[in-house]
Formats: sequence, C-alpha cells, structure tokens
Amino acid sequence: DAGVIQSPRHEVTEMGQEVTLRCKPISGHDYLFWYRQTMMRGLELLIYFNNNVPIDDSGMPEDRFSAKMPNASFSTLKIQPSEPRDSAVYFCASSSWGSNQPQHFGDGTRLSIL
Amino acid sequence: DQQVKQNSPSLSVQEGRISILNCDYTNSMFDYFLWYKKYPAEGPTFLISISSIKDKNEDGRFTVFLNKSAKHLSLHIVPSQPGDSAVYFCAGTLTSGTYKYIFGTGTRLKVLA
Repeated sequence: DAGVIQSPRHEVTEMGQEVTLRCKPISGHDYLFWYRQTMMRGLELLIYFNNNVPIDDSGMPEDRFSAKMPNASFSTLKIQPSEPRDSAVYFCASSSWGSNQPQHFGDGTRLSIL
Repeated sequence: DQQVKQNSPSLSVQEGRISILNCDYTNSMFDYFLWYKKYPAEGPTFLISISSIKDKNEDGRFTVFLNKSAKHLSLHIVPSQPGDSAVYFCAGTLTSGTYKYIFGTGTRLKVLA
C-alpha cells in the first residue's frame, strides 16, 4: 500500500521566493496534518484538515504560510515570501477517523532558505 | 508552553539490554498517548500507544507504562537491538473533539553492538 507521499524531498531556494510543498495522503484517510520539525521545537503541528476542510490552523506561524486541500487526495503548504528561519523539515501525515487511529507520516520535505 | 517533555535528548544502551525512554506531560486532559520512532531522512512511524485508562500496554519487545498521578510515561525496549537506534517521540492527544497530537522534542537512542 502506498503511504503518504510528499514532494519535493528537498528544496533549496533563496529568501523571498515562494515555496510550495505537496502532499498526497493515504487513500481513504479523512484527516490530513502538516507539521514542521526543528531542532529547537521538535515536531509542531501547523494545521490540520478533516474532509478537506481546515479545522485548526492555530499552529501556522504567520500570514506568510497558507495551506489548502482542494480534494481528498492532495494538499499544499505554501510559504510566500520565504525567510531563512523557515528552514526546517516539513512533514505531512494522514489518518482515518477514530480517536485511536494513529497518524501516518510521509518522509518529509527538507527546506533550506538561503 | 511545552505540554509534553522528553528531558533526555540522547541515550546509549548496550545491545541486549533494556532501553528506557521517558516522557512527562503537563496537560491532565490528555487521554491517549503514543510513541513514534524516526530514522534519519524518513518520517516518524507509529510504534505503540496507550489509553489513559490503562497503566501498561505491551507489543512484542516494546512496553509502554503510564503513571497518571505522576503525569509520566515510559517506553521499555527489551532486548534492545542495533536496529532500534533512532529518535523516539512521545505524543499526547485528546480523543474527544480533536485529533491534535502534541509531541515531545524526541530522544535519540543509540544501541551499541
């Protein structure tokens, strides 16, 4: 079975550029989560969706970050304009309905903003 | 406000011995806890979980213990194997109304052959 698929795996870009990260969740999963991992703060939840609708975006650091889920099989996380402090590994995860269903993570996108 | 804390950033254990990874939490509303394992350049993978109505859950070499009064959980790996070398994250969540996980900062386990 295909897991959560993220692209690109690595992204290096210059400060001020727009960055778009992509995620394909596991088919049939109702929930999709975007996380950011840094050395200082570990794994932080940025936003999550249920049935393509954003439920909680309280973790989105600022207005430069936006996320969309146009359909059940695709989501994007966009940073515009990007800044060096956005450099981190960004993970997407999905899960099915049910309080005891674990989240399944993709392999992440390592983002470097120069 | 770090609701889930893993105070040991790293741990080294000899192969065959027990590995004990610790996690403390402050949010008494958490009613479900999970452990994830992460290898370099991969995403975290689910390892084991425990409901707050239990104090122990076992799956093969992995056992999670929960002490609610102390707001403490631990993951025991017996016997430890070199393939267990990874970063381990604990997470707490509420099972009603939200599916948010709050993760700790992780503990890097190194199992020495």
